[in-house]
This record gives sequence, C-alpha cells and structure tokens, in this order.
Amino acid sequence: SQELEQSPQSLIVQEGKNLTINCTSSKTLYGLYWYKQKYGEGLIFLMMLQKGGEEKSHEKITAKLDEKKQQSSLHITASQPSHAGIYLCGADSGAGSYQLTFGKGTKLSVIP
Amino acid sequence: NAGVTQTPKFRVLKTGQSMTLLCAQDMNHEYMYWYRQDPGMGLRLIHYSVGEGTTAKGEVPDGYNVSRLKKQNFLLGLESAAPSQTSVYFCASSPGWPGNTEAFFGQGTRLTVV
Repeated sequence: SQELEQSPQSLIVQEGKNLTINCTSSKTLYGLYWYKQKYGEGLIFLMMLQKGGEEKSHEKITAKLDEKKQQSSLHITASQPSHAGIYLCGADSGAGSYQLTFGKGTKLSVIP
Repeated sequence: NAGVTQTPKFRVLKTGQSMTLLCAQDMNHEYMYWYRQDPGMGLRLIHYSVGEGTTAKGEVPDGYNVSRLKKQNFLLGLESAAPSQTSVYFCASSPGWPGNTEAFFGQGTRLTVV
C-alpha cells in the first residue's frame, strides 16, 4: 500500500517568514492533494497536482510535484497567522484503487 | 451550500453501546468515505462506497459497519463501542475517482467511548 511521509511534523514560524512542507510517497503519485485543517474542523481543499513538474499557486501558497512524481512540496510565502493549521497531503493509492491515502500532517503555528 | 453534513457533531458513548453516524451530501457525488483521525496516526480510511448500494473496506474496518442505501447518505455504525474507537470521524465525498477529483469533507464527529 502507498505511504505518504510528511516533514516536518510541526513547524513554528514568525509572521512574515517563508516555509516549506514536504510530502514523500513510497510509490509513484497519480494525483497528489494538499488539504488544510483548522483545529476542530474538517479539511479544506487547497490544490491538486497530477503531472510531473506541475506547479500551482493559490494566493501565497505554491505547491509543486517533482518530475518523478514521488515528492511534493508546499511553500508558503510571507506567512500570516491565518496560515496556521494542519496541512495534509493526500494521494490516490493507485492501481485502480478508489482510496485516498493521507500523510500524518504538518502542524503549522505562525507567531505574530 | 450544505456540502457534506455529519450528524451528530459530538457524542459520548459507554462501552458496549451502539450508535450510527450519518453523513449526507447534496452534491450528487458517487464516492463517499469514512475516515477516523487520531493523534499521531493521521487520517485512516474505515470504509468507502463507489455508488449507491455499494460498500468496501478501507484500512481499518474492524468494529464498524456501513450502508449506502441512498446515494446522498452514507451511514457508519458501531455495534458495540470500545474505548479504542474514541476518535474524530470524518466523512467525505467526491464526484469521481479520487485520482483526479477533489474530495469534500464534513466538519467531523468527535466520539468519546468511556
């Protein structure tokens, strides 16, 4: 089965700083998703990447999928307190599976 | 804009009691999922459904049953609750194969089994 490893597990940054979260897969990624979760709430979709080398941006958040499609990074520029939360990467398990597998998440805290 | 709605939001059960969690979506999605989220374990898939009348086991199905009698509803049942089932449960739905479509999540149900 596919496993997704996220790093770091937690991150504390000062407001205005840039940061990167990584997601590494044990298998080739067919579809890679980034979600954000605020404490006590559900997951909010951020971006989906499907093609090797693909890069997408939404406001100050950019996500990339490497050429070999086994790693993705999420980069936040000039972080704000509103960026705080848990970031999870998810991926299709592949081989005709109908399942989404998730990493364990990266907890981001932004200090004003 | 209801999206995915979970009922109830909070529940406390005694060991051995039974309960049903309801998930309803109004987006006409074919695929629905039940996940549990535990500290240090991330999101783990319990059961899922690829259409009305179908269900399948996920990563951690033991102790749970599901039903998808109507396309818009996906029920998760605990027949005899155990403290190990204390968790936050999330329902999700997607219009198609998860490899190329976004999944929409409910707000979660926080279940405590004492």
